[in-house]
Amino acid sequence: EAGVAQSPRYKIIEKRQSVAFWCNPISGHATLYWYQQILGQGPKLLIQFQNNGVVDDSQLPKDRFSAERLKGVDSTLKIQPAKLEDSAVYLCASSLLRVTEAFFGQGTRLTVV
Amino acid sequence: AQSVTQLDSQVPVFEEAPVELRCNYSSSVSVYLFWYVQYPNQGLQLLLKYLSGSTLVKGINGFEAEFNKSQTSFHLRKPSVHISDTAEYFCAVSDSFTSGTYKYIFGTGTRLKVLA
Repeated sequence: EAGVAQSPRYKIIEKRQSVAFWCNPISGHATLYWYQQILGQGPKLLIQFQNNGVVDDSQLPKDRFSAERLKGVDSTLKIQPAKLEDSAVYLCASSLLRVTEAFFGQGTRLTVV
Repeated sequence: AQSVTQLDSQVPVFEEAPVELRCNYSSSVSVYLFWYVQYPNQGLQLLLKYLSGSTLVKGINGFEAEFNKSQTSFHLRKPSVHISDTAEYFCAVSDSFTSGTYKYIFGTGTRLKVLA
């Protein structure tokens, strides 16, 4: 079974630029998560989807971050404009509904200079 | 809100020695607890999980964890570590939504460094 796919793996941008990350969850997984992992910290949930609806986006900085999950499959996370403090690894994960285990992608490492 | 505390940011241990990584969580009526491992430049991989039943949970790669409700702890142990166990380990607790989905709240992680 294919795992969670993320792209790109690495991205370097200047502050105030925009950037987008893409995630393809495991086939059939209704729940999709985006996490932000700053160096030396644990992952922090940014947004959680069930199919194409948002379950939780309480920690998403909505003035600059946006995410969508069209057709309940792939998802895109966007940052516009980026700030230096957005430098982090962005992890995507997915899980089956009513199953506790989430599967993680390899992440996208963003560096804002 | 749920929270997870991993008091040890780094744990050095010699190869073939035992190790314990500590995790404490905020109390709740019911909790689901997890340990994940993260190798450099990789995503998180589930080591083991506690949902209910036996308080001693066995996972992959020879790891096990014990759920202690009275101490609100879920410490991870391995009787004999290998160099390949060098990685970052995260403890997590989950909240469930009425929708049937789960949200994971992670600790700050413990870096396990196995020395030759």
